[in-house]
Amino acid sequence: AQSVTQLGSHVSVSEGALVLLRCNYSSSVPPYLFWYVQYPNQGLQLLLKYTTGATLVKGINGFEAEFKKSETSFHLTKPSAHMSDAAEYFCAVTDTGTASKLTFGTGTRLQVTL
Amino acid sequence: KAGVTQTPRYLIKTRGQQVTLSCSPISGHRSVSWYQQTPGQGLQFLFEYFSETQRNKGNFPGRFSGRQFSNSRSEMNVSTLELGDSALYLCASSLDPGEQYFGPGTRLTVT
Repeated sequence: AQSVTQLGSHVSVSEGALVLLRCNYSSSVPPYLFWYVQYPNQGLQLLLKYTTGATLVKGINGFEAEFKKSETSFHLTKPSAHMSDAAEYFCAVTDTGTASKLTFGTGTRLQVTL
Repeated sequence: KAGVTQTPRYLIKTRGQQVTLSCSPISGHRSVSWYQQTPGQGLQFLFEYFSETQRNKGNFPGRFSGRQFSNSRSEMNVSTLELGDSALYLCASSLDPGEQYFGPGTRLTVT
């Protein structure tokens, strides 16, 4: 069975600073990995995904993530935080080719301060 | 293209009642998955339907059930509601294979 661990339930950064949200996965088979963002009172929006191929994945809103098999990690980064990035971020994993059964991490709430 | 829609958006029910939630997927998407989100348990997979058949199932009691219609629209039903069923219920649709696109959710409050 696969699982995901997100280190840090709350992360606070200053506007313009680097954003780093950590995600480690456990999977017995090659994983498919995703990052989703959730704004208050809304559903989840896909930021980016890793399935196969290039290990550095670029997503929407300037976010990117790097799949590191040796470290079983898939950390999310953004060079410069904006106030609009304040939200909750979820890392998710699936080992099915259809990506239809996601296992989510517990989420990291990102706060952006002036 | 219209996104995933869920109705109703908010619902208040009493313990012991049953409830039905509806989800309309993105046009052309045949896979529909349901998730429960609570502060204590986080996001948990309920089940997935594809071509009117349940293809995957999470670890929820039999009070939670679902179905999918020939137009890919899906419903989930919770019978004999308990206080712990209060949650945000999210529906997601996808091509097969493909990433999931989520709806805004239905917030269910059980009193």
